[in-house]
Amino acid sequence: DTAVSQTPKYLVTQMGNDKSIKCEQNLGHDTMYWYKQDSKKFLKIMFSYNNKELIINETVPNRFSPKSPDKAHLNLHINSLELGDSAVYFCASSQVGSGSGNTIYFGEGSWLTVV
Amino acid sequence: AQTVTQSQPEMSVQEAETVTLSCTYDTSESDYYLFWYKQPPSRQMILVIRQEAYKQQNATENRFSVNFQKAAKSFSLKISDSQLGDAAMYFCAYRARDDKIIFGKGTRLHILP
Repeated sequence: DTAVSQTPKYLVTQMGNDKSIKCEQNLGHDTMYWYKQDSKKFLKIMFSYNNKELIINETVPNRFSPKSPDKAHLNLHINSLELGDSAVYFCASSQVGSGSGNTIYFGEGSWLTVV
Repeated sequence: AQTVTQSQPEMSVQEAETVTLSCTYDTSESDYYLFWYKQPPSRQMILVIRQEAYKQQNATENRFSVNFQKAAKSFSLKISDSQLGDAAMYFCAYRARDDKIIFGKGTRLHILP
């Protein structure tokens, strides 16, 4: 079973559309994240949730709205997509204070292309 | 604010040789975690090795080892006996107590056959 799974893996959509990316983790972790990796491969955190509560909200346009229905799921909804939103979006999870050294485990990434 | 710097955008190494990727970071905290992640062309983020700042002993995972110099805020990755499958982007990462993990800009490693 995949520890952190996100869907869809590939998404091509037109400017102005609204789209969602879903993420689920089966590791029992209480913290989940969304990271964005742009064309220059730079990884930047967008959001962090702990037990369904928003912990980190970096400077991200409010067109991006995360939703955590429970601690195993963290979805990302994007309104009015723009060309600059094209990137790979990674979902990740971790358990703070665990014996695994607080390692963050990543999903396989969702490749979003806005045309 | 914490920062992570990888000063080598690209490196090349001959197969079977040893290569060291450098990473420095800036923090005022004493308790934190450091990681190296590998990202092959598939874009999957794969944990290579991790180090807890309170541990003086350098972490080792098979052919991968680190040289952790806490006072110098340096965390380099050594890959021994380089293999073609080691070709990837390598990201150094720092995890602060406030739970945010910060990545360097990455080093692209080429393995020459």
